[in-house]
Amino acid sequence: DVVLTQSPLSLPVTLGQPASISCRSSQSLVHNDGNTYLSWFQQRPGQSPRRLIYKVSNRDSGVPDRFSGSGSGTDFTLKISRVEADDVGVYYCMQGTHWQWTFGQGTKVEIK
Amino acid sequence: DVQLVESGGGLVQPGGSLRLSCAASGFTFSLSWMSWVRRAPGRGLEWVATFSEDGSDKFYMDSVKGRFSVSRDNAKSSMYLQMNSLRAEDTAVYYCGKNTFHGADFWGRGTPVTVSS
Repeated sequence: DVVLTQSPLSLPVTLGQPASISCRSSQSLVHNDGNTYLSWFQQRPGQSPRRLIYKVSNRDSGVPDRFSGSGSGTDFTLKISRVEADDVGVYYCMQGTHWQWTFGQGTKVEIK
Repeated sequence: DVQLVESGGGLVQPGGSLRLSCAASGFTFSLSWMSWVRRAPGRGLEWVATFSEDGSDKFYMDSVKGRFSVSRDNAKSSMYLQMNSLRAEDTAVYYCGKNTFHGADFWGRGTPVTVSS
C-alpha cells in the first residue's frame, strides 16, 4: 500500500503569512496513463471535506488562488500564500494513482 | 447545484449490519465514479471504497474487504454501502463523494456510524 507522510502535523500560522505542507509518498504517484493523481483536501471544523487541488497543481472551481500545489513523483507541497482565518482546519493529501487510494495523516492548521 | 445526502447511520452492536444510502442530484450520476470515505473520532480521513459508473468495477480498502459492499441504482441516482460484521473500529462519520480525476470533488455532509455494545 502507498503510505503518504505529511509534515508538519501541526502548523500554527500568523494571519497574512505564508504556510506550506509537505506530502511524501512511499512510491511514485505517476499513473500508467502519465498523470499524477495527487489531491489536497481541506476539512474545516464540523464540515465535510473539500478538495482544493487535483493532479498535483490544478485548483478546483471556487478555490482561492492563494492555494497552490506543486511537486512530482514522490514529493508534493501545498502552499497558502497568505493565511486567512477561514483557512483553519485539517489539510490532507490523497493519492488516487494506486489502489488502495490513501490519505496522509492530516496537518492541522491553526492561527497563532 | 450538486447535492449528496447520506443517510442510514446509527448505533449498531459489534457484528451487526448497517446499510448507508447516498442520494445524488445536480449532476449526471450515471456517468460518475463515486466513493465512500470515513473519519473516525480523533483520526484522519480514510478512503473506504470507490466504484465505477455502472458498478462493474469496485475497489475497497483492505480492512473492509469481504465485509462491506458498494452498489448503486442509477435510475434513482443513489448509491449504497452495505456494512456487515461491523467492528468498533468502523465507528466513524461516513461521507459519499463524486469523483473526478481520481478523487472526489464534492462530498456530502456525512452520516455517523457507532459500533458499540
